[in-house]
Amino acid sequence: DIQMTQSPSSLSASVGDRVTITCRASQNIDSHLSWYQQKPGQAPKLLIYTTSSLQSGVPSRFSGSGSGPDFTLTISSLRPEDFATYYCQQSYSTPPTFGQGTKVEIK
Amino acid sequence: QLQLQESGPGLVKPSETLSLTCTVSDGSISSDYYYGGWIRQSPGKGLEWIGSIHYGGTTFYNPSLKSRVTISVDTPKKYLSLKLSSVTAADTAVYYCARHFGRREGPVDYWGQGTLVTVSS
Repeated sequence: DIQMTQSPSSLSASVGDRVTITCRASQNIDSHLSWYQQKPGQAPKLLIYTTSSLQSGVPSRFSGSGSGPDFTLTISSLRPEDFATYYCQQSYSTPPTFGQGTKVEIK
Repeated sequence: QLQLQESGPGLVKPSETLSLTCTVSDGSISSDYYYGGWIRQSPGKGLEWIGSIHYGGTTFYNPSLKSRVTISVDTPKKYLSLKLSSVTAADTAVYYCARHFGRREGPVDYWGQGTLVTVSS
């Protein structure tokens, strides 16, 4: 299985901050990398797919970039509703695998 | 827009079979572009892909669970089902019904709300 490693595991930030989360794949995954946001008690929500494509309805302050093996999710200006846990997922090969998550907390 | 709703027992005894159903409404997974799937989440293992199915019936399973998993689809009636046999406490998790797009293991654009299944005697 392809291992996805996120860093950091958690971070504290303030409203308005620029936040960057990194995901590293253990093998080549081309551009088959997605990002999800999950709030407590809710299912994950797709934010970004194919490394940098913004899912419909997702605010433009979210962006993705990178190329194997390192990928990045950036929130350009953190809003109160962005405090959540973020996961990356590779969809290059079966089984698709997820990172362990990055919890974004209020400073 | 598409809605997915999981249903099934919240408590399953060890060694028994976990059975869940996902009702698909206000949309479809009946397309070459979409795959129905199941994903679970537990504190210990995080998010774990269980498997997916094409509307024509072809299935794809996580090798770690393959010997115990059956996923099926009833396209006309818009149901997706999951059966996981010989469960243990390690199978305790929130189980999500999901729609993958593009590839059988592709991004998930729709998720059910999730259902907690506890394995305990």
